[in-house]
Amino acid sequence: AQSVAQPEDQVNVAEGNPLTVKCTYSVSGNPYLFWYVQYPNRGLQFLLKYITGDNLVKGSYGFEAEFNKSQTSFHLKKPSALVSDSALYFCAVRGNTGFQKLVFGTGTRLLVSP
Amino acid sequence: DVKVTQSSRYLVKRTGEKVFLECVQDMDHENMFWYRQDPGLGLRLIYFSYDVKMKEKGDIPEGYSVSREKKERFSLILESASTNQTSMYLCASSFVMVSGANVLTFGAGSRLTVL
Repeated sequence: AQSVAQPEDQVNVAEGNPLTVKCTYSVSGNPYLFWYVQYPNRGLQFLLKYITGDNLVKGSYGFEAEFNKSQTSFHLKKPSALVSDSALYFCAVRGNTGFQKLVFGTGTRLLVSP
Repeated sequence: DVKVTQSSRYLVKRTGEKVFLECVQDMDHENMFWYRQDPGLGLRLIYFSYDVKMKEKGDIPEGYSVSREKKERFSLILESASTNQTSMYLCASSFVMVSGANVLTFGAGSRLTVL
């Protein structure tokens, strides 16, 4: 069965500094990987996904994620954080063989200080 | 933009009451989902539907049922609400993609408190 681990409940970073939100996964077959963001009092919004190809995936709002097959990781990154990036971030994975459910991590709260 | 609308943002119900959570999407998506979001547990799938009148159990279906009579509408039903069902409920929808890499579009959520 597939699973996702987000080892940090919270990440703190100063505005203008680079940020990383970590995600590791376990899945049968090759993975489809996703990042979603949840702003306060709102539903989740899609940020980016990895299906195949280039290991560096670019998404919305300047975010990118790097797929590392050997380390089974899909960390979310941004070169320069904004206060408005403060939100709850979820990593999700699905295997690419047969019908497999999308499994979400427990979420990481990102706090960007001015 | 795809819109997924959940009819109630906040509900307060009493133990034993029957609760209906409604979700409507306007982009002709085949798939619809109900998730429950709890702190420290992330999102857990309750039920999903890939077609009208079709439903499949997710990871935590106990205490819940669903109805999908029309393609655009997916209802979550708590037959007899209990305090451990106090949570944020998220509805989502998506197209079917052969590759399986379909992106979910979420509603704003319904926060249910059961007293």
